[in-house]
Amino acid sequence: QKEVEQNSGPLSVPEGAIASLNCTYSDRVSQSFFWYRQYSGKSPELIMSIYSNGDKEDGRFTAQLNKASQYVSLLIRDSQPSDSATYLCAVNTYTGTASKLTFGTGTRLQVTL
Amino acid sequence: KAGVTQTPRYLIKTRGQQVTLSCSPISGHRSVSWYQQTPGQGLQFLFEYFSETQRNKGNFPGRFSGRQFSNSRSEMNVSTLELGDSALYLCASSFAGTNTGELFFGEGSRLTVL
Repeated sequence: QKEVEQNSGPLSVPEGAIASLNCTYSDRVSQSFFWYRQYSGKSPELIMSIYSNGDKEDGRFTAQLNKASQYVSLLIRDSQPSDSATYLCAVNTYTGTASKLTFGTGTRLQVTL
Repeated sequence: KAGVTQTPRYLIKTRGQQVTLSCSPISGHRSVSWYQQTPGQGLQFLFEYFSETQRNKGNFPGRFSGRQFSNSRSEMNVSTLELGDSALYLCASSFAGTNTGELFFGEGSRLTVL
């Protein structure tokens, strides 16, 4: 089982719709969770972080965390063509001696006109 | 504020050669981490350096090594290159380290091994 799993997609949504991106993780002691966006040919950039159960909103983005289900998601409201990118879920786990940030393989989002 | 700078951006090597990649972090950032990105495996963690000390290491063979200098600049070296080492190598800098999850990535060095 991969440590961080994401559906590779592509996830296709029409402009103006809500895009829902999902991520599951295997280590129950993981403490913090991040979403990075990577445009084609570019490097990843951090867009959201979430540390406790529930929702965290930032503009059109909402991150949701459910530690009991080991599940984190990213909702993008009013999706725009400029949101078309690969979204990487990253999970931070403290191993006792060091922290380890593990990335999923990413979900490719396509926002269609 | 200047971003993370990686050099070279592109390079082609042949099997058996070695390669050194360089990364200059954002000014004031003491942590530099390295990742290998391939289409099938995604972002794989190589190692993290913080104030010249290797803080953490991923599951890569000993052919992959790195170091960090007193000015926080970092280099990674891959010896005895294999075809499977072809990838995008990303460097990320952070003020406090990967444990914060807040990484700033460079544009990457794309290595092709022939």
